[in-house]
Amino acid sequence: EAGVTQFPSHSVIEKGQTVTLRCDPISGHDNLYWYRRVMGKEIKFLLHFVKESKQDESGMPNNRFLAERTGGTYSTLKVQPAELEDSGVYFCASSQGMANYGYTFGSGTRLTVV
Amino acid sequence: AQKITQTQPGMFVQEKEAVTLDCTYDTSDPSYGLFWYKQPSSGEMIFLIYQGSYDQQNATEGRYSLNFQKARKSANLVISASQLGDSAMYFCAMREGLTGGFKTIFGAGTRLFVKA
Repeated sequence: EAGVTQFPSHSVIEKGQTVTLRCDPISGHDNLYWYRRVMGKEIKFLLHFVKESKQDESGMPNNRFLAERTGGTYSTLKVQPAELEDSGVYFCASSQGMANYGYTFGSGTRLTVV
Repeated sequence: AQKITQTQPGMFVQEKEAVTLDCTYDTSDPSYGLFWYKQPSSGEMIFLIYQGSYDQQNATEGRYSLNFQKARKSANLVISASQLGDSAMYFCAMREGLTGGFKTIFGAGTRLFVKA
């Protein structure tokens, strides 16, 4: 079974540019999450999809961030325009919804805004 | 308010010895789950172990065990017989609520160094 795939693995962009991160969850996983870890800090929740619906987007920092999940399959996270403080590692995770199972995480996208 | 606290930014352990990574949590929800994840230098997050708030026994998975002390709100990870490959960041995490799909919150992590 393929794991959670994230693309790109690294991205370096200039302040003010737009970047789109993609996540392909494990097939059949209805739950998809985005998290972010800024250097040396906690891994912070961004949002949670159940299929194509946003279940919880309380962690989205501001309206420069837009997440979508087309048809309940893959998800994209767009940052527009990017700011310096957006730099960090963006993780995607998916789960089948069982309470006692941990998430399956992707390897993350390291975003650097310069 | 911070809900997951990992007070050890870094830990050293000799190969083949046991090590305990500390984690305390705070929640008013009677139903919650506690998790530990490992992040090696390659970057991926690997799920290690789960403990439910109603579980009577401490969770174990191979060399990993979770020392769950509910009254003290602690969920320490014990790694027995450390191996060089255990060197990594370790994150304690909590999910509130009974059903899967509720968001998980993470601590700041502990970096473990295993010495040969």
